[in-house]
This record gives sequence, structure tokens and C-alpha cells, in this order.
Amino acid sequence: DAKTTQPNSMESNEEEPVHLPCNHSTISGTDYIHWYRQLPSQGPEYVIHGLTSNVNNRMASLAIAEDRKSSTLILHRATLRDAAVYYCILRGNAGGTSYGKLTFGQGTILTVHP
Amino acid sequence: EPEVTQTPSHQVTQMGQEVILRCVPISNHLYFYWYRQILGQKVEFLVSFYNNEISEKSEIFDDQFSVERPDGSNFTLKIRSTKLEDSAMYFCASSEGGQRIYGYTFGSGTRLTVV
Repeated sequence: DAKTTQPNSMESNEEEPVHLPCNHSTISGTDYIHWYRQLPSQGPEYVIHGLTSNVNNRMASLAIAEDRKSSTLILHRATLRDAAVYYCILRGNAGGTSYGKLTFGQGTILTVHP
Repeated sequence: EPEVTQTPSHQVTQMGQEVILRCVPISNHLYFYWYRQILGQKVEFLVSFYNNEISEKSEIFDDQFSVERPDGSNFTLKIRSTKLEDSAMYFCASSEGGQRIYGYTFGSGTRLTVV
């Protein structure tokens, strides 16, 4: 699986936007960019995914660089509940040796201040 | 919103004993997974399961581990003879499809403590 690089930690204030970066310079043309988060004492939670175009859903937005070597997860207004570890994961072509599995890194620990 | 349900939430077992961790995936999902997370470490893939057979497993998933879908709703992970190093959070997940366009839904986990 192609590797991703994220900052170890970031901080934000409540109700402010948060931009969580991810570098994936070795991404292949068919890799999807997935984001998950893990709240304290809970299982990972799917946030969003994309391939080339920017994506929006009710939880967040995903901005993907034109060369696809980096992406940014955007939380438009952080709440205390958004404090979690955020993981950027590349998903390759199912059917090969990595059929379906997610490879988690260390992620970014997001702290949200009241 | 549909959930993946795991039971029990916490299990304590003696070293060498067998444990079965249970999961009820989302009803229309076809792909099932087990992951684990040792305290303070990364979430690690154990096994994926589709069409009543293992589709992929990691090197962690040795002969002591097995998975089963005994009926139409449950998905279980069995550890035959637990070791101290099996102590971890075990997460079950399911997805509608195995392809990379699908996200997973994870359960809240079972904390396994081997003493």
C-alpha cells in the first residue's frame, strides 16, 4: 500500500475551521483517498473519501491536490466532539494482495479547545 | 443510522483459554473484517471475510485465530488459546462492497484482557 504522511498533532478552537493535511506522494492513479477518525475509546469511523475531485458530505470536505500527491480534510466548524485521531488512508485496487483492507498509520491527534 | 454491534464490550480471560468475540454486522453488508488495536498502538488488520470464506488475512492471524459466520447475522472471531499479548481492543467492521469506493462501518469494539 502507498504510504501517507500526516502531522502527529494539531490544535483548533471550537467553531473554527480545521484543515488536516495528508501527503501521499507515491499514490497510484487508481488509489482512493479515505479518511477515518477515531474518537476516544471508540472504533474508527468513516469520514469521507475521494479520487480526484473535491468531495463534500455532512461531516467534512475533502480537498485533493491536482497532482493527487496531497489532500486536506476540512472540518468547517470544529466542535469538542471532533476531538479525535484522524487517519488518511489510501485504498488500492481490490482483488490484488490488499483486497479491501485498511492500513492505518499513526494519524493526526486533533485537540479542540473550548 | 445502522450500526455494527459487538459483544461483549469487555472480556477478561485466563491465559490459555478460548474466547469468542461476537459481532452483528449491518444487515445488507457483504464484507466483514476484524481489526485489533493494542493499547497505544495502531489499528491493525486481522482478517477479511466474504462469501463465507476468508479473502485476506494478516500475519497476526495465525492458527490460533478463526472466524465464522454461523448464521445470517453473526460474525465471530475465536482465539483458541489466548496469550498475554492478545490483550487488545478488537474491532469488527463491515462494508457494502469490498472495492475501494466503499467505506467501512466499525463497531465500538471488545476490550480483551488476558491475565
